[in-house]
Amino acid sequence: DIQMTQSPSSLSASIGDRVTITCRASQSITLYLNWYQQKPGKAPNLLIYAASSLQSGVPSRFSGSGFGTDFTLTISSLQPEDYATYYCQQSYRNPYTFGQGTKLEI
Amino acid sequence: EVQLVQSGGGLVQPGGSLRLSCVGSGFTFSSYWMSWVRQAPGKGLEWVANIKQDGSEIKYLASVKGRFTISRDNAKNSVYLQMNSLRADETAVYFCAREVGSSSWPFDYWGQGSLVAVSS
Repeated sequence: DIQMTQSPSSLSASIGDRVTITCRASQSITLYLNWYQQKPGKAPNLLIYAASSLQSGVPSRFSGSGFGTDFTLTISSLQPEDYATYYCQQSYRNPYTFGQGTKLEI
Repeated sequence: EVQLVQSGGGLVQPGGSLRLSCVGSGFTFSSYWMSWVRQAPGKGLEWVANIKQDGSEIKYLASVKGRFTISRDNAKNSVYLQMNSLRADETAVYFCAREVGSSSWPFDYWGQGSLVAVSS
């Protein structure tokens, strides 16, 4: 199975900060990398697909980059509604696997 | 509006069975792969199974193969997860999710989640 490792596991940041979350795959997944945001008690919400494509309706302060094994999710200017847990996910090969999550806190 | 509405969660004893259902609306259900993803309390996300549009391809997480069965009824816009021989460590919220059938195959819509509690 392809292992996905996110860092950091938790992150404290302030409103207006630029935040970067990293995701590393145990083997190349080319661009088969997606990012989700999850708030407590809710289903995940797709933010970024194919490593860098912004899902419709997602604010432009979210961006993604990377190829192969190393990927990043960046929030350019943190807003109050961005406090949540973020997951990366590979869809290169079954079983699809997720990173362990990054909890973004105030 | 695309919606996935789940039903069927609950409390079950170890070794017991439960069936989850997920009904889709607002889109052509038969055109999409569908998946089930679970999340144990306080833990991360774990993909469980998926099924092709016509049911001709099915894949499972290795730990559930032989005990869980994913199926679909396109006439009812529904996908199901039959779970047998449930274990305590499979206590989780189970989500159904729609897979975008192109690009990087992300899950673009999710159900609200169904809590499955396995306990004696």
